[in-house]
Amino acid sequence: AQSVAQPEDQVNVAEGNPLTVKCTYSVSGNPYLFWYVQYPNRGLQFLLKYITGDNLVKGSYGFEAEFNKSQTSFHLKKPSALVSDSALYFCAVRDPSTGTASKLTFGTGTRLQVTL
Amino acid sequence: EAQVTQNPRYLITVTGKKLTVTCSQNMNHEYMSWYRQDPGLGLRQIYYSMNVEVTDKGDVPEGYKVSRKEKRNFPLILESPSPNQTSLYFCASSSQLAGGHEQFFGPGTRLTVL
Repeated sequence: AQSVAQPEDQVNVAEGNPLTVKCTYSVSGNPYLFWYVQYPNRGLQFLLKYITGDNLVKGSYGFEAEFNKSQTSFHLKKPSALVSDSALYFCAVRDPSTGTASKLTFGTGTRLQVTL
Repeated sequence: EAQVTQNPRYLITVTGKKLTVTCSQNMNHEYMSWYRQDPGLGLRQIYYSMNVEVTDKGDVPEGYKVSRKEKRNFPLILESPSPNQTSLYFCASSSQLAGGHEQFFGPGTRLTVL
């Protein structure tokens, strides 16, 4: 079974400071990992993904994430936070060995609050 | 504009009254899914479909039905809604050509069952 954990319900950061939103995962094989963002009253939007290759992946809006196989983590990062980054962030995992492309498992979400 | 649409966006109903939430995508995607979002639980997959007439249960399928008669549509049916199905529902689609990796989400349907 695949699972993902987001240990922080909320992350607070001042604008201009770096931010990190944590995610750890559990799958039986090599994972496919994703980050999505949800703005108020909106559906989720895709931010970035790790499938294979370079452990550091870059995505939309200046976000990046680092895949760490030994720590089974895929933390979301941004060098300089903006107030407009305030939203709910979801980490998701898929185990490709299941062969089911639609079977994504999401974490519980982390609310990012960026203040001036 | 490429999009996933859901209707209705808001619905208040009573226990036992059958309802359908529609989902439609205009991107010719093969894969479609339904999720429910609850505080503290994140998104949980209800059902998914790999293509027309191919559907399978997700993590929380009890009390729900789906059908995929056309590629663009994937309605969610609650035959006898109960208060524990009060939730925010999202439909999503993705492309088989792209490996199904990036899911496109609809705007959500907020359902209240009294």
